[in-house]
Amino acid sequence: DQQVKQNSPSLSVQEGRISILNCDYTNSMFDYFLWYKKYPAEGPTFLISISSIKDKNEDGRFTVFLNKSAKHLSLHIVPSQPGDSAVYFCAAAGATSGTYKYIFGTGTRLKVLA
Amino acid sequence: DSGVTQTPKHLITATGQRVTLRCSPRSGDLSVYWYQQSLDQGLQFLIQYYNGEERAKGNILERFSAQQFPDLHSELNLSSLELGDSALYFCASSAETLTDTQYFGPGTRLTVL
Repeated sequence: DQQVKQNSPSLSVQEGRISILNCDYTNSMFDYFLWYKKYPAEGPTFLISISSIKDKNEDGRFTVFLNKSAKHLSLHIVPSQPGDSAVYFCAAAGATSGTYKYIFGTGTRLKVLA
Repeated sequence: DSGVTQTPKHLITATGQRVTLRCSPRSGDLSVYWYQQSLDQGLQFLIQYYNGEERAKGNILERFSAQQFPDLHSELNLSSLELGDSALYFCASSAETLTDTQYFGPGTRLTVL
């Protein structure tokens, strides 16, 4: 049962344009959402997070939007840069099955073309 | 550099064997998490320890166990290894709770032949 889904395994975007990465979740108990970036041969790196009491959080070129009614969040990167090329994981945290824990999506590979 | 260290970087072993993966959290972090990333899969949360005690449990098999020691380093023990256990195993640490940012180590790549 995949509670956090990233339906696009890959995405290619031209340098300077906007990258939009999407994530859907099924469990309404999730109350905290995060995005991580992962380069090859490295561990994931925290990017940005959002609490369920907000619908938008911005940090420089990165903005996360949360639509609780649709159980959907998205990460916008603008402008996209070649160094943004990586795998992006969304994660949802909350009390599920009796314990509080993180559930990660399967990742979206972003390629920013120069 | 996240400040989280994991050893070894690579591990190759045979089916049926037992291995131990080690993780040292960032200085001052009390929580340690273990994740498994298989080929083409997302990160699967295995288990969390907080200040030496088990705090949360995810999809961890009974053949796997973990512990956190008084100096806060953690070990993940994998036994009766199967081919399907081949994966990247990540350790992460955070200050205290699950809503604190988790900092990931570089991972241990386990190959079971």
